Amino acid sequence: GAVVSQHPSRVICKSGTSVKIECRSLDFQATTMFWYRQFPKQSLMLMATSNEGSKATYEQGVEKDKFLINHASLTLSTLTVTSAHPEDSSFYICSARLANTGELFFGEGSRLTVL
Amino acid sequence: AQSVSQHNHHVILSEAASLELGCNYSYGGTVNLFWYVQYPGQHLQLLLKYFSGDPLVKGIKGFEAEFIKSKFSFNLRKPSVQWSDTAEYFCAVNEDTGRRALTFGSGTRLQVQP
Repeated sequence: GAVVSQHPSRVICKSGTSVKIECRSLDFQATTMFWYRQFPKQSLMLMATSNEGSKATYEQGVEKDKFLINHASLTLSTLTVTSAHPEDSSFYICSARLANTGELFFGEGSRLTVL
Repeated sequence: AQSVSQHNHHVILSEAASLELGCNYSYGGTVNLFWYVQYPGQHLQLLLKYFSGDPLVKGIKGFEAEFIKSKFSFNLRKPSVQWSDTAEYFCAVNEDTGRRALTFGSGTRLQVQP
């Protein structure tokens, strides 16, 4: 099946710094990618929908200036957590939609720890 | 807005036992239904999906799920679990309107003891 890769898988940063997480569709083009956040022992919560070449659509309660999403190409979307705080520590997962079938494929996730 | 409920948070079974994980959703329109599995240290993988047609859906690794529209349910079943089925299982739904973002349940941790 199609492969979605996230990088880095783990990142530790200091409060106030910014962290970029990449999501790549390795063998297919994804016009739409989704970013989720997962807290321990909780469900995946949709943060935003990223469409190639246009602005991301954010879910209610998600700060677009804090979680910057860029979908510059059909194979890459990035999530930048700006001015990170300890409460931003979480597991971030992206998924990419295969254009012709609509099937979704998920990345391995990126665990962010903000000290 | 739609929501998904998985009532079993942690299930412990012995090998060869039968499995049924509950999933209920709330949405009045047409939905697509999914079960995903996340093995320890790995990414989410699709087990099976229902879009339309036969409400009994067969997936990979011997799993199946039944869509009961009147009960808003999509329970996952396996007749005989194996130790390798130890994982986290997520039920997910999206509206059949084109937006295609998934709404996930809280997940069920399955632990199969040898």
